[in-house]
Parts: sequence; structure tokens; C-alpha cells
Amino acid sequence: DAGVTQSPTHLIKTRGQQVTLRCSPKSGHDTVSWYQQALGQGPQFIFQYYEEEERQRGNFPDRFSGHQFPNYSSELNVNALLLGDSALYLCASSPRVQGSSYEQYFGPGTRLTVT
Amino acid sequence: KQEVTQIPAALSVPEGENLVLNCSFTDSAIYNLQWFRQDPGKGLTSLLLIQSSQREQTSGRLNASLDKSSGRSTLYIAASQPGDSATYLCAVSDYKLSFGAGTTVTVRA
Repeated sequence: DAGVTQSPTHLIKTRGQQVTLRCSPKSGHDTVSWYQQALGQGPQFIFQYYEEEERQRGNFPDRFSGHQFPNYSSELNVNALLLGDSALYLCASSPRVQGSSYEQYFGPGTRLTVT
Repeated sequence: KQEVTQIPAALSVPEGENLVLNCSFTDSAIYNLQWFRQDPGKGLTSLLLIQSSQREQTSGRLNASLDKSSGRSTLYIAASQPGDSATYLCAVSDYKLSFGAGTTVTVRA
């Protein structure tokens, strides 16, 4: 059983460009969350998707957007990249039960460097 | 807003010593608490999940306790090994995970 997978592993972009990161959840999971982890800090919640809609969002600007596909995989898009967007982007998946939360499983992350 | 704090930020111990890692959080309205391990530049590996109704959880050499009323959790790692060297993160869950900054552990052979 494959766990959470993310692509690409590493990415280098220039300020002002746009980037798309991809995530496939663990088998049996329908909820995908994205987190940004700056160097030396804990991950920060960006947003969560289930049933192909953004359900919850953290304190991130509209430059950060996402999508979830019918097979539960997800994309994170970042427009107009800033130097401060350089970070490890983590995808997590879990099954969803109304009013509760389950153990979240994380992928290996995508390291984004903005120059 | 949930605030999660981990103390100490870094810890260095000789092999064989027991490790005690602390986590505190400000809002007790949580569903569960997870402890993660992170190796440099890598993703997060879940170590233990404690549901809000539980007081502790054990897996092998790892034991985690949860005191929701006081907003504290402790991760104990018995008989540490050099392979335990990593950053340990705690996270509390409502609809999302709120993380501490982590404790970086070095176990000296």
C-alpha cells in the first residue's frame, strides 16, 4: 500500500513565477491538507480539501490556491512567487468523519526554492 | 488561536539515556494530539496518536501522555539510540494540525 506521495521532490523557481505541486493521498483517504514548513519552524496549515472543495483555510494569501480531483489527489498552486515562499511543502491525508479527525499521514514533501 | 510550545528546543544525550520531550498547548478543545519524527529535509513520520479521551499511548520504547486540562503532553523515549536523533514535533488537532517548532534530539554514541 503506497503511502502519501508528492511530486516533484525539489523545485527551483524565480520570483514572480507560478508553481504547481501535486499530492496523492494514502489509499482509503479522501481528505487532503497542505502545510508549509519554513526552515527551523513547525508546519503551518494552508488549506484542506474534501469532496473536491476547499473546506478550511489557514492564514495564507489568495496567491495560494488548490484543487482536489475525483480520485482524491490534490494540487497546490502558488502564483507570483516571493522569496518568502521558499519552504518545504507537505501534503497530509486522512479519512474524514464529520465532527472528528483521524491520524494524518504525511508525504515526503516538496522543497521549493525561490530565487 | 491555538499556540503550541515545545521545550527544550534542542537536547543532546548519551546513548542509553531516557529522553523526555515536552509539549504544551493553549486551547484544550482538541480532537487528538500527534507526535511526529522528522529527519533533516524529510517529511513527517507519525509516532503516536492520542485521542482527547485518552491519557496515554505506548508503542515500543515510546510512551506519550496527555493531560488535556492542563494543556500538556510528554513524549518519553526509553533507552535512546543514535538512530533516535531527529526533530520531534507535537501537533494538536481540531480540523487541522497546529504544530510546535519541535525539539531537535542528538543521541551521542
